[in-house]
Amino acid sequence: DAEITQSPRHKITETGRQVTLACHQTWNHNNMFWYRQDLGHGLRLIHYSYGVQDTNKGEVSDGYSVSRSNTEDLPLTLESAASSQTSVYFCASSEVGGGNIQYFGAGTRLSVL
Amino acid sequence: QKEVEQDPGPLSVPEGAIVSLNCTYSNSAFQYFMWYRQYSRKGPELLMYTYSSGNKEDGRFTAQVDKSSKYISLFIRDSQPSDSATYLCAMRRNRDDKIIFGKGTRLHILP
Repeated sequence: DAEITQSPRHKITETGRQVTLACHQTWNHNNMFWYRQDLGHGLRLIHYSYGVQDTNKGEVSDGYSVSRSNTEDLPLTLESAASSQTSVYFCASSEVGGGNIQYFGAGTRLSVL
Repeated sequence: QKEVEQDPGPLSVPEGAIVSLNCTYSNSAFQYFMWYRQYSRKGPELLMYTYSSGNKEDGRFTAQVDKSSKYISLFIRDSQPSDSATYLCAMRRNRDDKIIFGKGTRLHILP
């Protein structure tokens, strides 16, 4: 069965360190998204991609970057982790034109100390 | 004013009751309306979606959209403890647009 997996599921890091969260999907979807979910804010879009070599900034992109070198993967990098980036991060994917149906991973819980 | 407003709850109801979850929005350009369900420590999953105004029914779930009032609802009939989750409303302007999510309402169905 097709799926979308995130790794690691939990991560503890220190402020100032670079951190990369992995997202891998086997749906062969062109569209991929990264969200963060915080109490009181809901799901907020960080970055998204509509295909290989395409990346776009979302609502809360400062301090984050992504790159898309193949269809299956969209890693999220925190350039210099800050305590404000402590959150639960979700990756999602969808078909072109079928974006109402986004398939989400199980999430990565990141703590920046 | 936020584009999408949703009461975070928690909302606790007894098993078997009818549950009503709601969202309001400010952007009249929204045309696609979705409800996602999120169990604890899991990613959201799409429950159902509607295009423009009207009702859509799927088993025990009914989604309603009132574009004139900028108000959407999700009704759950014969609620079960397994319906306990966070329900996120979501919407977008067109098929190529980004999805805007509400903050989610936590629902507890009491056995």
